[in-house]
Amino acid sequence: QQPVQSPQAVILREGEDAVINCSSSKALYSVHWYRQKHGEAPVFLMILLKGGEQKGHEKISASFNEKKQQSSLYLTASQLSYSGTYFCGTERNYGGSQGNLIFGKGTKLSVKP
Amino acid sequence: DGGITQSPKYLFRKEGQNVTLSCEQNLNHDAMYWYRQDPGQGLRLIYYSQIVNDFQKGDIAEGYSVSREKKESFPLTVTSAQKNPTAFYLCASRNGLAASSYNEQFFGPGTRLTVL
Repeated sequence: QQPVQSPQAVILREGEDAVINCSSSKALYSVHWYRQKHGEAPVFLMILLKGGEQKGHEKISASFNEKKQQSSLYLTASQLSYSGTYFCGTERNYGGSQGNLIFGKGTKLSVKP
Repeated sequence: DGGITQSPKYLFRKEGQNVTLSCEQNLNHDAMYWYRQDPGQGLRLIYYSQIVNDFQKGDIAEGYSVSREKKESFPLTVTSAQKNPTAFYLCASRNGLAASSYNEQFFGPGTRLTVL
């Protein structure tokens, strides 16, 4: 039930755009996005809830397609500081998951000057 | 400042030893979590606790134990039964169970455990 992220890695030049996808085989209640720098804690970016509500970041946007059970993270006009590994965390309905986040394996993003 | 602290940052263990990783939060969050991170594997859930004096196994609980005697503390013990404990361990907390627009999960800085 671990969500599948794609691509596994991407290399960009500054100013280019990127899309990171997160797909689940189970119906989802919410999707959380995090960015992690090497050796550091993951940092919160976005929450997307069933029903369309979201909390996010100024220069990063995301979508959540409940029917397709997938979410996409859009990074526009990338900056060097965007480099890191991006994780999606998926939350199922409260039948047995108790609100736990199940994380994908991550997408490594490298932004070059 | 509110947040999550983990100690130590680096920990070395000899085979056969138990070690305890500390996690403290002053965010007044109900739920706390322990994750293990290995290269290319993402974050895998070890144990979680939604209320004091109660906790549940996650996906990879074998070889680990936890306690939740206080709301702000959730220590993790890596026992000698854990065959491959070398990893980066992350503690997290979250405000309650009900998902809402602002119910984000916060992470501590992590502890890197190495078995010698």
